[in-house]
Amino acid sequence: GENVEQHPSTLSVQEGDSAVIKCTYSDSASNYFPWYKQELGKRPQLIIDIRSNVGEKKDQRIAVTLNKTAKHFSLHITETQPEDSAVYFCAASIPPGYSTLTFGKGTMLLVSP
Amino acid sequence: DTGVSQDPRHKITKRGQNVTFRCDPISEHNRLYWYRQTLGQGPEFLTYFQNEAQLEKSRLLSDRFSAERPKGSFSTLEIQRTEQGDSAMYLCASSSTNREEAFFGQGTRLTVV
Repeated sequence: GENVEQHPSTLSVQEGDSAVIKCTYSDSASNYFPWYKQELGKRPQLIIDIRSNVGEKKDQRIAVTLNKTAKHFSLHITETQPEDSAVYFCAASIPPGYSTLTFGKGTMLLVSP
Repeated sequence: DTGVSQDPRHKITKRGQNVTFRCDPISEHNRLYWYRQTLGQGPEFLTYFQNEAQLEKSRLLSDRFSAERPKGSFSTLEIQRTEQGDSAMYLCASSSTNREEAFFGQGTRLTVV
């Protein structure tokens, strides 16, 4: 089955800095890669996703890049703010037709004012 | 309908007891997923429904676990003869047929004592 590795496990940055979280996946058939943000005690919330036919996607301060050849994808957060502090999970899913996600172990992002 | 809802939010039970959780997906979503999340880990896939049909079950889903979605709307997850290792957050998610994006509920936190 699919295996998703996520690094780093913790990331501390100063407010205004950029943060990058990296994931690798094992199954080349995976074609959908979402990122979720989970604040303490709350539900995982989808923040951005990318499909295998796209190399990069951006939404305001958040961007995701995908390298299918190397089987890795990354989350980039620019101009970090204290409210970005949370655990971020990457995930991958294999077709056809439905989305049962394999998640990474998460990255705890701490943004200091 | 503001999102996926789960009930109860918290459940404490004695080892050996049976427990049942409920998930109400977003109303227009025909796909429903159950995941389990333990502390410091990403969600792990348990099972998936499309309408009332249970299409996939993880090997994590032992024979003590059973899930149903009788009318293709809400779903229940039952754990029989609970064990301390069942203590976790049980998350439900839903998505629609034509889009991969899965939206999570708040989860049910199970503690087996």
